[in-house]
Amino acid sequence: DIVMTQSPDSLAVSLGERATINCKSSQSVLYRSNNKNYLAWYQQKPGQPPKLLIDWASTRESGVPDRFSGSGSGTDFTLTISSLQAEDVAVYYCHQYCTPPGTFGQGTRVEIK
Amino acid sequence: EVQLVESGGGLVQPGGSLRLSCAASGFTFEDYTINWVRQAPGKGLEWVSGISWKSDTIVYADSVKGRFTISRDNAKNSLYLQMNSLRAEDTALYYCAKGTLLRFFRSAFDIWGQGTMVTVSS
Repeated sequence: DIVMTQSPDSLAVSLGERATINCKSSQSVLYRSNNKNYLAWYQQKPGQPPKLLIDWASTRESGVPDRFSGSGSGTDFTLTISSLQAEDVAVYYCHQYCTPPGTFGQGTRVEIK
Repeated sequence: EVQLVESGGGLVQPGGSLRLSCAASGFTFEDYTINWVRQAPGKGLEWVSGISWKSDTIVYADSVKGRFTISRDNAKNSLYLQMNSLRAEDTALYYCAKGTLLRFFRSAFDIWGQGTMVTVSS
């Protein structure tokens, strides 16, 4: 199975500052035939199910604020929150769906400093 | 409104069985892969199983292979998870989650239910 490793496990960022979360996969999740990275990012707030923010590594879902962006390819990916808002406090997960079984990173908790 | 609603969770003894259900509405259920994802208390997400739109592709996590069986009834817009030989480590909130892509197995999950809690304890 592909192992997804996120860093850091948690981070505290001041309001309005940038938050950066990294995700590394043990194997490439780039599918050569269509040149797409099978990598998604989710946000989970307490007591709620996860919410899909970004798929294909960099495609923001409809309604997701543009302060959220995804980047990377192959085995190394990044989720960036350009200007942290109070409502962004949550746990964030990366997820590879390239090779079944799909696997998630362990999660990164984002808090306000 | 597009939604998934899980049911069937509860308290069960180790070695016991439970059947979870997921009722879908607001989209063409028969066109999408649906998955089970679980989350142990205070822990991260673990994908459990997925089934393609016409049930010809079924995949399980190693941790549940041979004990859990996923199935679907497209006529009833419903997904199921039969869980046998339950262990304490199966204790978790079980979510069903819809794939984003029409008639394609490998995709992210755009719609999640609220989950149903399974507790395995004597």
